[in-house]
Amino acid sequence: DAGVIQSPRHEVTEMGQEVTLRCKPISGHNSLFWYRQTMMRGLELLIYFNNNVPIDDSGMPEDRFSAKMPNASFSTLKIQPSEPRDSAVYFCASTFREGRGFFGPGTRLTVL
Amino acid sequence: LAKTTQPISMDSYEGQEVNITCSHNNIATNDYITWYQQFPSQGPRFIIQGYKTKVTNEVASLFIPADRKSSTLSLPRVSLSDTAVYYCLVGDWTSGTYKYIFGTGTRLKVLA
Repeated sequence: DAGVIQSPRHEVTEMGQEVTLRCKPISGHNSLFWYRQTMMRGLELLIYFNNNVPIDDSGMPEDRFSAKMPNASFSTLKIQPSEPRDSAVYFCASTFREGRGFFGPGTRLTVL
Repeated sequence: LAKTTQPISMDSYEGQEVNITCSHNNIATNDYITWYQQFPSQGPRFIIQGYKTKVTNEVASLFIPADRKSSTLSLPRVSLSDTAVYYCLVGDWTSGTYKYIFGTGTRLKVLA
């Protein structure tokens, strides 16, 4: 198994541009999580899905952030428009029920 | 939602046993305790998970007292490569999946 796959690994964009981060969870996992990590705020849970349905998006910072999971094997996190304060590492993780969570390698986003 | 408290940092020497204690006074009956390890520029990696008493795997042991208000991660004979941030999580079972909330973690530094 390839593990959780995230793309791109690095993204540099200018303020105001739209950014789309992608995640492919491990096959068979039924829960998917999006996290953001910064030095100041640590690891923050943004949103998570169970069986492709968003369960809790209370961690999404603003309306500029949106996430979708159209099927069990794909999810996106979109930021539109992006701002410099969105610069962070974004992680995707997947789990099966109460089992161990597997994290992807992350996407390092830099907004200039 | 159970909140966890851990020491911010710890130093140890190679070959020693390291014990990191986490406090979770408001743990709920159905909550599991999970520990993750994170190296710089990588996603968190699952170490161990338990509900009560003691759990052991190939890399660590987890000790949980009867009241479950705390837990201790034990790393036997640490090496330089164990230098990382260690997170204690208490699983919040919501809508059929766990909502993993990360605290500040414990930064372990292993010295030669």
